[in-house]
Amino acid sequence: SQQGEEDPQALSIQEGENATMNCSYKTSINNLQWYRQNSGRGLVHLILIRSNEREKHSGRLRVTLDTSKKSSSLLITASRAADTASYFCATDAGNQFYFGTGTSLTVIP
Amino acid sequence: GAVVSQHPSWVICKSGTSVKIECRSLDFQATTMFWYRQFPKQSLMLMATSNEGSKATYEQGVEKDKFLINHASLTLSTLTVTSAHPEDSSFYICSHQQGKNGYTFGSGTRLTVV
Repeated sequence: SQQGEEDPQALSIQEGENATMNCSYKTSINNLQWYRQNSGRGLVHLILIRSNEREKHSGRLRVTLDTSKKSSSLLITASRAADTASYFCATDAGNQFYFGTGTSLTVIP
Repeated sequence: GAVVSQHPSWVICKSGTSVKIECRSLDFQATTMFWYRQFPKQSLMLMATSNEGSKATYEQGVEKDKFLINHASLTLSTLTVTSAHPEDSSFYICSHQQGKNGYTFGSGTRLTVV
């Protein structure tokens, strides 16, 4: 079964608000990655955080990683309608690569 | 929940041989299927997108004659790496889309060409 579990499954916010998505996993990892997927399109890599890192920023994205809790969060600040997509966390455990079930984000203009 | 079974999970083959990777949706029908590969220390790269009944759309730089994608049915997609070479060694993963936003990923196949 897939290792990552994400919540919420769906999130709807107003443009300009912040969106937070969480990801939990089960085993030790080398790194954790967040991806975005627009409907009918392929994955787009957003950010990678290594197991020895706790926080990482990229533009309006902020990712945290808590290896003791085996969880990560993705924060999108000042959301835009173009941020509407599905967001996935993916854990790289060396021999296996697991995706979460995804969070469907809708940003209302 | 939706499950995509991908196999083999790992394979070692000799240079010049072909390898087939299968992805099967166990409890749903997939409208669109995606194939990705990941080289060490890099993120996933989309190789191709396919819809049932039509030819796959390949991303720029991906050789369609080398990476044969067959969208056999609404539950089965296959990727065949033909005449594999060591530089094809990579991690390959599929994703099946169900409906508008439901994506389910296989667990991946690690290919090593020797």
